[in-house]
Amino acid sequence: EIVLTQSPGTLSLSPGERATLSCRASQSVSSSYLAWYQQKPGQAPRLLIYGASSRATGIPDRFSGSGSGTDFTLTISRLEPEDFAVYYCQQYGSSPLMYTFGQGTKLEIK
Amino acid sequence: EVQLVESGGGLVQPGGSLRLSCAASGFTFSSYSMNWVRQAPGKGLEWVSYISSSSSTIYYADSVKGRFTISRDNAKNSLYLQMNSLRDEDTAVYYCAREGFRDFDYWGQGTLVTVSS
Repeated sequence: EIVLTQSPGTLSLSPGERATLSCRASQSVSSSYLAWYQQKPGQAPRLLIYGASSRATGIPDRFSGSGSGTDFTLTISRLEPEDFAVYYCQQYGSSPLMYTFGQGTKLEIK
Repeated sequence: EVQLVESGGGLVQPGGSLRLSCAASGFTFSSYSMNWVRQAPGKGLEWVSYISSSSSTIYYADSVKGRFTISRDNAKNSLYLQMNSLRDEDTAVYYCAREGFRDFDYWGQGTLVTVSS
């Protein structure tokens, strides 16, 4: 089973700053099957990035994803007040099918 | 507009059963695989189960295998999760989620299941 480890656990930044969130896999992950989600308190998660680098429908271009193999990154170029939330990475594994999530990174206002 | 609305959550004693439902609208339900994902209070996300569009392929997380059963009724645009032999550690918000490209592109608002005596 592939384990996803996100870092840092908490990231304190100010609006306007750049955020860089990391997701490291215990084994190589297909880039096609690495996704990022945003979750705000009391809300369901929202898909931000799929296929490691493709933005989901309606996601602003300040969000970008990159990486391959075991190291993936979510970058928010200029933080807006509404971006402060928890972010999760997720991967798909086959044989048998299963999905795993990272433990999350909380992005908080400094 | 894609909508997923879960229902059926509540308080149940350990060892008890509960059936969750998810009503889908705004897309061709019968063309999509579906999933259940849960989140324990204050914790992260955990995938629970997957069902293909025709119900021909089903998978479960090891933590629920043998206790939970996923099913769907394409004529009713509905997804279900039958949960038996519930344990304290099954306490969570349960989300139904549409399968995208091996990710979850739309989520319901969730339904809370509390297992407690």
